[in-house]
Amino acid sequence: GQQLNQSPQSMFIQEGEDVSMNCTSSSIFNTWLWYKQDPGEGPVLLIALYKAGELTSNGRLTAQFGITRKDSFLNISASIPSDVGIYFCAGPPLYRDDKIIFGKGTRLHILP
Amino acid sequence: DAGVIQSPRHEVTEMGQEVTLRCKPISGHNSLFWYRQTMMRGLELLIYFNNNVPIDDSGMPEDRFSAKMPNASFSTLKIQPSEPRDSAVYFCASSLGDYNSPLHFGNGTRLTVT
Repeated sequence: GQQLNQSPQSMFIQEGEDVSMNCTSSSIFNTWLWYKQDPGEGPVLLIALYKAGELTSNGRLTAQFGITRKDSFLNISASIPSDVGIYFCAGPPLYRDDKIIFGKGTRLHILP
Repeated sequence: DAGVIQSPRHEVTEMGQEVTLRCKPISGHNSLFWYRQTMMRGLELLIYFNNNVPIDDSGMPEDRFSAKMPNASFSTLKIQPSEPRDSAVYFCASSLGDYNSPLHFGNGTRLTVT
C-alpha cells in the first residue's frame, strides 16, 4: 500500500536546539497535515497545508508543502521540554482523496 | 467542545474473549475513522464511515474484526475472538468529511490480550 516515509525515525536533541524533520511520498498529495502525539493521548493537529509551496507557521513551528506535492517538512525552533513526543505527517493521496494515511512518525527526545 | 470520547481507556482480556471498543465522535462531524497503532506498523486505518455508512473496511485485518455505527453519535469496534496479536492502541477519530478536513482523535483504548 501507499506509504509516507518520515525521517528521521527518532531524534535526540538538547533543549534550545532547532529541529527539522521531513516526509516524502511517491504519490502526489493535495493536503499535508502534521500531527503531534503526546504519551497516552491521541494525535493532535499542528499544521495543515493546502497548496504547493505553502509555508505556514504556528508559533515556533513552521511547515512547508513541497512544490512537487510529494513532500513536506516541519521545523521546530528553540525546542522546549514539552516538544517531546511523536510527530506524524499525514494526508490524503491524490489517487484516494477520501482516505488519510499516516507516516510512521518521528520520535523527538530532549536531553536534560 | 468535548472532543472525541473513547471507552474504555484500557482493556485487558484473555485470548478468545470478545472485546468491544466504543467511540462518540464530535457532534456535527459526519465521518468517523478507526485506527490501530503499534510500534511495528504505526497508525493503520481499519475502517471509516461517512454519514454512518461504512465506506472502506479494507484495513480490517480479519473477519474477527467488525465495526458498526448505528447513529451519528456512536460507533463500536468489536474483536471476536481476540488474540494476543490484537494488542495495540485503538484510536477513533472524526472529521467534517471532506478531504481538507483534519481528523480529531480520541485518546485511544489500549488493548492487551493475554
